[in-house]
Amino acid sequence: SQTIHQWPATLVQPVGSPLSLECTVEGTSNPNLYWYRQAAGRGLQLLFYSVGIGQISSEVPQNLSASRPQDRQFILSSKKLLLSDSGFYLCAWSFQYKRVPASGYTFGSGTRLTVV
Amino acid sequence: EDQVTQSPEALRLQEGESSSLNCSYTVSGLRGLFWYRQDPGKGPEFLFTLYSAGEEKEKERLKATLTKKESFLHITAPKPEDSATYLCAVHHSNAGNMLTFGGGTRLMVKP
Repeated sequence: SQTIHQWPATLVQPVGSPLSLECTVEGTSNPNLYWYRQAAGRGLQLLFYSVGIGQISSEVPQNLSASRPQDRQFILSSKKLLLSDSGFYLCAWSFQYKRVPASGYTFGSGTRLTVV
Repeated sequence: EDQVTQSPEALRLQEGESSSLNCSYTVSGLRGLFWYRQDPGKGPEFLFTLYSAGEEKEKERLKATLTKKESFLHITAPKPEDSATYLCAVHHSNAGNMLTFGGGTRLMVKP
């Protein structure tokens, strides 16, 4: 079976510091990978998605970047964090079909980032 | 513009008090509508997928229904453990493999 791991669970970082959040998927090959941000009490905002190694699409221009150095590894980064980067970050994966599969996306457990 | 809107934003119920959550959408070519449950500090967990108007899915106290413009998540005789945020998302023909999420409904069930 497939599993998704996301870490760390919580992170408190000062303004201007760098960021690296990591997500890995096990039990499948060539998944679609996604990074979402969720503000308190709000829905999910898609930040980046990837259909393969080195292939990153950005949905929202911002202070963040994403990379996919390996097939099942997705990294969210920032060189200098802003206060507005605070939020709940979620990684997700899906099978790489033309249609979204019946089970939709599978999400990681999330990272609560607080920029102080 | 493709939109997914959930209402209400928050809902307080007494244990046993049945109600419905709404997810309305304006998208071209719906390919699937998904319901998720999200507990505080956790990632969303998949509940249901609906593909066509008239379709219904059930799981324990939850039943999801779909029309051409909206979906309802009916909660029958809720219990405190049903308290969570419920998210809906749509997959439509203009979006490739993307899901468009609504803002969620935060459900609180009091004993």
